[in-house]
Amino acid sequence: DIQMTQSPSSLSASVGDRVTITCRASQSISSYLNWYQQKPGKAPKLLIYAASSLQSGVPSRFSGSGSGTDFTLTISSLQPEDFATYYCQQSYSTLLFTFGPGTKVDIK
Amino acid sequence: QVQLQESGPGLVKPSETLSLTCTVSGGSISSYYWSWIRQPPGKGLEWIGYIYYSGSTNYNPSLKSRVTISVDTSKNQFSLKLSSVTAADTAVYYCARHILRVGATTGWFDPWGQGTLVTVSS
Repeated sequence: DIQMTQSPSSLSASVGDRVTITCRASQSISSYLNWYQQKPGKAPKLLIYAASSLQSGVPSRFSGSGSGTDFTLTISSLQPEDFATYYCQQSYSTLLFTFGPGTKVDIK
Repeated sequence: QVQLQESGPGLVKPSETLSLTCTVSGGSISSYYWSWIRQPPGKGLEWIGYIYYSGSTNYNPSLKSRVTISVDTSKNQFSLKLSSVTAADTAVYYCARHILRVGATTGWFDPWGQGTLVTVSS
């Protein structure tokens, strides 16, 4: 199985801050990495697919980078609506799709 | 715009079978993969399995012995059955379209249903 880890597990930030979340895979997954945002009581929402492609309708302050085992999600200027939990997900192994444990972004 | 909606009992007794249906609206179920994903309260996301509109399936090995996913293209629905449930199966269950194409960098879930909480308790 491909294990996904995320760091930090939580962070506190202010509106306007630049925020970076890291996701690491237990083996190389090329660019088969996707990012989701989940707000309390809501379903996850796709932000980034294939490591760096911005999903339609997602603000351009969100960006993704990386390949192989190390990936990052960056929010260039945190907005009030961005306070949420963020999950990465690998799709390299089509036998078992796995998610990272999540990173909670809350208000400082 | 494709929308998904889960439906089914919110309470299931231990050892019984959990049954949920996902209704797809705003688009056809054909030509896509469709997945079930669950999230125990306060915890992370676990992929349960997918089905292609033609009926082929793939399940999470940790759940494979208890899971059946089926599709009804005439109703634009797909369904989940999870047998022999325990309290550990208590979770919000989501259905999602699974963008998956062989030979391409794909595999993401979009869109998702709103989710339905299933509690396993006597």
